[in-house]
Amino acid sequence: DTGVSQNPRHKITKRGQNVTFRCDPISEHNRLYWYRQTLGQGPEFLTYFQNEAQLEKSRLLSDRFSAERPKGSFSTLEIQRTEQGDSAMYLCASSPGMYNSPLHFGNGTRLTVT
Amino acid sequence: AQTVTQSQPEMSVQEAETVTLSCTYDTSESDYYLFWYKQPPSRQMILVIRQEAYKQQNATENRFSVNFQKAAKSFSLKISDSQLGDAAMYFCAYFGNEKLTFGTGTRLTIIP
Repeated sequence: DTGVSQNPRHKITKRGQNVTFRCDPISEHNRLYWYRQTLGQGPEFLTYFQNEAQLEKSRLLSDRFSAERPKGSFSTLEIQRTEQGDSAMYLCASSPGMYNSPLHFGNGTRLTVT
Repeated sequence: AQTVTQSQPEMSVQEAETVTLSCTYDTSESDYYLFWYKQPPSRQMILVIRQEAYKQQNATENRFSVNFQKAAKSFSLKISDSQLGDAAMYFCAYFGNEKLTFGTGTRLTIIP
């Protein structure tokens, strides 16, 4: 169990550029979640996958955001045409999917849009 | 929709003393789970303790324990014998509808 891995740790981009983040969950965890955390706030739910199926998307996930988990293993979160308001920490978490299983979080990717 | 409220943005405690962090939540469900997570400055979210709503017995994990009051929808965290390593943001979270909903957090400072 190597934990949830997220890359990159930091990303600085100019407004209008596209960015992509990657999350590698704990092996055999079939649930994968993406959260966004702004300074001084708790994480906010964005979306989650059960294996390769994306089962729910938050209203926070605008059309510029897309997430995939093509083979039910790693996941990517892409933001197109970034805006300054997208600056935040993006957290990935995974779980075995049982109802009482806690989510295991990665270290996050900090995005700064200039 | 479920909401989680942490009314204490910041707390401080002397090393070796006890501190209690408050959390209330709102839900119409009868079966759910509650969690406390810790986020140190290194930023990885770490599970501290969890409570099943159907269990009346309060959960304990070493120096960490909860006071779960289901009728009042209250879920406080007590940290005994506080240590310098306990300094972090603490988030209360509710698991329902297949996802975690977090409160805004309490920043805990340990005074040596």
